[in-house]
Amino acid sequence: KAGVTQTPRYLIKTRGQQVTLSCSPISGHRSVSWYQQTPGQGLQFLFEYFSETQRNKGNFPGRFSGRQFSNSRSEMNVSTLELGDSALYLCASSLPGQGSYEQYFGPGTRLTVT
Amino acid sequence: AQSVTQLDSQVPVFEEAPVELRCNYSSSVSVYLFWYVQYPNQGLQLLLKYLSGSTLVKGINGFEAEFNKSQTSFHLRKPSVHISDTAEYFCAVRESNTGNQFYFGTGTSLTVIP
Repeated sequence: KAGVTQTPRYLIKTRGQQVTLSCSPISGHRSVSWYQQTPGQGLQFLFEYFSETQRNKGNFPGRFSGRQFSNSRSEMNVSTLELGDSALYLCASSLPGQGSYEQYFGPGTRLTVT
Repeated sequence: AQSVTQLDSQVPVFEEAPVELRCNYSSSVSVYLFWYVQYPNQGLQLLLKYLSGSTLVKGINGFEAEFNKSQTSFHLRKPSVHISDTAEYFCAVRESNTGNQFYFGTGTSLTVIP
């Protein structure tokens, strides 16, 4: 079974631009979560989508948004990029519900804002 | 919300020596506990998990962890480390009654010295 895939793997943008990152979960997984990883901060939870609905949201400004499609693929958008948005963005998928507990992570998208 | 603390940001250890990576979480509500490993330029990979039952859980690559409810801890151990264990290790907590949101520690960088 294919793992979680994220595209693109690397991205360089300038301040003020916007960016869209994509995540394809493991087949059959309906929950997708996004995290921002920066040195010293660990993984900061952005949001979780399940069945095309945002179910949980972390403490990030409204410039960070996401959506999920009917095939469970998810996109994350960051508008008006700031230098501090430079980070590794990780996507994780899981089977919600009884008996399914862990999250499976993709390789991440490395975003550099200049 | 949960708070997950990994007090040791960096742990150097000689090859074949034992190692313990510490993890404490804030809330005493019913939780599920996880340890993930991240190798350079990769996503997170599950090492082991505690859901219920025996407080000592064994994972991949010879790692084990012990759940201590009274101390709200979930420390990771390995009796003899290898060079290939050099990586970043993350402790994560998921509350059993609040959906699919995971809380991660800031990570411990394990460096195995030959």
